[in-house]
Amino acid sequence: QVQLQESGPGLVKPSQTLSLTCTVSGGSITSGVYFWAWIRQPAGKGLEWIGRVSTGGNTDYNASLQSRVTISLDTSKNQFSLRLSSVTAADTAVYYCARDLGHQGPEDVWGQGTTVTVSS
Amino acid sequence: ETVLTQSPATLSLSPGERATLSCRASQSVSSYLAWYQQKPGQAPRLLIYDGFNRATGIPARFSGSGSGTDFTLTISSLEPEDFAVYYCHQRANWPRSFGQGTKVEI
Repeated sequence: QVQLQESGPGLVKPSQTLSLTCTVSGGSITSGVYFWAWIRQPAGKGLEWIGRVSTGGNTDYNASLQSRVTISLDTSKNQFSLRLSSVTAADTAVYYCARDLGHQGPEDVWGQGTTVTVSS
Repeated sequence: ETVLTQSPATLSLSPGERATLSCRASQSVSSYLAWYQQKPGQAPRLLIYDGFNRATGIPARFSGSGSGTDFTLTISSLEPEDFAVYYCHQRANWPRSFGQGTKVEI
């Protein structure tokens, strides 16, 4: 059974770059027709879809974040990552990674989430 | 962006009662609408996808219906573990988006 686990700094300074990694276990990140996605949730608020990367490395981003976000694969480590530049307090949230079924369905397997706070 | 509006914001019910949650899209999402359940401190859990398909392991008391712009999640008889926040989510249009959530409380 596929499992996902987020990791990365819990505190990032304003204007710096947020970097998170999602480690996939129980299956290969390059198998199937899946995408690998990032979603975030500010405390007490709803969910915001950030973007996704395909097994072939193609990406789709939320236009509201596109100028600041990069999602990439590291197939050698069975991981994918999120980089969000020029962060502000508004980027403070719980960040989730998830498996996206693409044409076959929505995000079906999620990591437990990691809290990132933007503060000096 | 496709805006998903969920109603009501809060639903106060008792165990054993029927829960009916609504999700309305600002433009058609065909049948590409999913429902998630989220409990405090946990990640969302997929319940229903593509309008009415139950995800693996989801009890039959959860059912989904609708297409186009209007969708409903029904919980036929609430169990104590069903009290949570429920989100709808569309994958038909870019960017993918979520509703603001409906809290089902005791």
